[in-house]
Amino acid sequence: NAGVTQTPKFQVLKTGQSMTLQCAQDMNHEYMSWYRQDPGMGLRLIHYSVGAGITDQGEVPNGYNVSRSTTEDFPLRLLSAAPSQTSVYFCASSYSHGLANSYEQYFGPGTRLTVT
Amino acid sequence: GIQVEQSPPDLILQEGANSTLRCNFSDSVNNLQWFHQNPWGQLINLFYIPSGTKQNGRLSATTVATERYSLLYISSSQTTDSGVYFCAVESGYSTLTFGKGTMLLVSP
Repeated sequence: NAGVTQTPKFQVLKTGQSMTLQCAQDMNHEYMSWYRQDPGMGLRLIHYSVGAGITDQGEVPNGYNVSRSTTEDFPLRLLSAAPSQTSVYFCASSYSHGLANSYEQYFGPGTRLTVT
Repeated sequence: GIQVEQSPPDLILQEGANSTLRCNFSDSVNNLQWFHQNPWGQLINLFYIPSGTKQNGRLSATTVATERYSLLYISSSQTTDSGVYFCAVESGYSTLTFGKGTMLLVSP
């Protein structure tokens, strides 16, 4: 099992450019999420998906799009990059422990994005 | 939404010392996880611990759900324990709300 994989590891964009961060998991987890981490802070939720074809917004969704056409993949699209989107982006997948609202999350290695 | 507070924000230890990190949360939760973010930025699952006590080698964790706190114990610390320790709680639909972390530096 590769777990959760993310590409690229590093990316530099100019303001106004668009790009897609890739995320894939091979654990057959139903739930997937995207977070961003800024210096001195914990992770904040951007978007999440509870299954193929179903996505919803998190705490900081502006400027990002997601889609989930398969269980395995959950790409994050930056529509028009801004310097405020300079951050480290983590993708996660999770499975239920069987209790209501009880999911254990596993994180990918992250993508470090700089927008100039 | 739910609030998660971690203390202390920073901690410096000599190798071999023990430490306790604390996580307080503002509402009842069905899931609490502890993560270690190593100096390379990787997030490593330490514990999935919505309640009770678990141990894994030199690390152990206790969550008292009724009193809304969790503790992470590190015994006989090593330099490889350095990094940031995050507590995160379930905030609905398998997503997590993170605390701001405790930055730990273990010196030889």
